[in-house]
Amino acid sequence: GAVVSQHPSWVICKSGTSVKIECRSLDFQATTMFWYRQFPKQSLMLMATSNEGSKATYEQGVEKDKFLINHASLTLSTLTVTSAHPEDSSFYICSARVPAGRLTEAFFGQGTRLTVV
Amino acid sequence: QKEVEQNSGPLSVPEGAIASLNCTYSDRGSQSFFWYRQYSGKSPELIMFIYSNGDKEDGRFTAQLNKASQYVSLLIRDSQPSDSATYLCAVNRWPGGYNKLIFGAGTRLAVHP
Repeated sequence: GAVVSQHPSWVICKSGTSVKIECRSLDFQATTMFWYRQFPKQSLMLMATSNEGSKATYEQGVEKDKFLINHASLTLSTLTVTSAHPEDSSFYICSARVPAGRLTEAFFGQGTRLTVV
Repeated sequence: QKEVEQNSGPLSVPEGAIASLNCTYSDRGSQSFFWYRQYSGKSPELIMFIYSNGDKEDGRFTAQLNKASQYVSLLIRDSQPSDSATYLCAVNRWPGGYNKLIFGAGTRLAVHP
């Protein structure tokens, strides 16, 4: 299947700093990528939908100025957590779908474990 | 009411038994349904998807969909300890062509030898 690479796999940062997470589709072009957040023992919560060349669409309750998403190319989307705080510590996962219709599989990156201290 | 509901478990089954995982959804307009397996600390991996009423089999796994009752289930035959994981049900709502997946909270499965 298609490969989605997410980097870094884990990061520890100080409160108030910003962290950038990259999501790359390695062998296909992803016009749309999705960013999820998962807290311990909870499910994946969709944060935003990232579209190549346009502004991301954020889910209700997600601060777009805090979670900056850039989808500058068909193979790369980035999520920047700005002014991170301990409550932002979570598992962030990106996914990409091959643009071939409604029944296509979503391929997930490996996830990024963010710890803000 | 949550859009996708699953029993959190844990569901404990002996090795070799059939594990039955259930999921209900609230949006009647949902078009396709996915089962993912997630090991602790890892990202989800797709087991199978289904979009037509009835059963769909793939190896030891069978997905069942009943759109009238708005439920989808996953059966795992000959359960193995390596099947112990959290199983996530996801539903595709097709708004604006974005293919968003809405996930349930997951059911934790424990297969004991």
